[in-house]
Amino acid sequence: SQKIEQNSEALNIQEGKTATLTCNYTNYSPAYLQWYRQDPGRGPVFLLLIRENEKEKRKERLKVTFDTTLKQSLFHITASQPADSATYLCALMDSNYQLIWGAGTKLIIKP
Amino acid sequence: DTAVSQTPKYLVTQMGNDKSIKCEQNLGHDTMYWYKQDSKKFLKIMFSYNNKELIINETVPNRFSPKSPDKAHLNLHINSLELGDSAVYFCASSQDSPLAGYNEQFFGPGTRLTVL
Repeated sequence: SQKIEQNSEALNIQEGKTATLTCNYTNYSPAYLQWYRQDPGRGPVFLLLIRENEKEKRKERLKVTFDTTLKQSLFHITASQPADSATYLCALMDSNYQLIWGAGTKLIIKP
Repeated sequence: DTAVSQTPKYLVTQMGNDKSIKCEQNLGHDTMYWYKQDSKKFLKIMFSYNNKELIINETVPNRFSPKSPDKAHLNLHINSLELGDSAVYFCASSQDSPLAGYNEQFFGPGTRLTVL
């Protein structure tokens, strides 16, 4: 069956360190993968997109990698700040042109 | 200016009632979506409209009926509400149809529906 998995446990990181979140998928061959941020009581906000032929994408303190062999994307936040605390969702496009979403990983940055 | 807005933000109602959620986007996008986010936080697509035409219609009960009077609006009407309909419903929009490929989606603030 097709699955997209993110670590369901909250990730606690000390301020200033790099936070790394994982998104694994099975039985998909996505053309691209997206990362979103969701704060409590709000809708997801788009952060980054990475295509299947791209290994890495950066935006300010954010970096996304995409390994289609491992079927995995990693999302990094460097020099993390308490304001980075949120739930981070990955989503991939399936063969029916729909975004399939992971359940998200809650990130907590401790001052 | 709000990009994607939804009303109401909270909706508490009894089983068996009929209710509607409204969505509007002022981004000039061609495509709009309705998602359901359950208690486990999974977002699941329900419907998608491109230029007022239905392009994605997932397996949802036919008690749910979307209506798009124009490409800036996509409303969701729910008949005979059930306990299992309790969730947060998100409206979203994107510039192009997902059939065109890459599409960043812009989400509304969500409507928390509670069925008693």
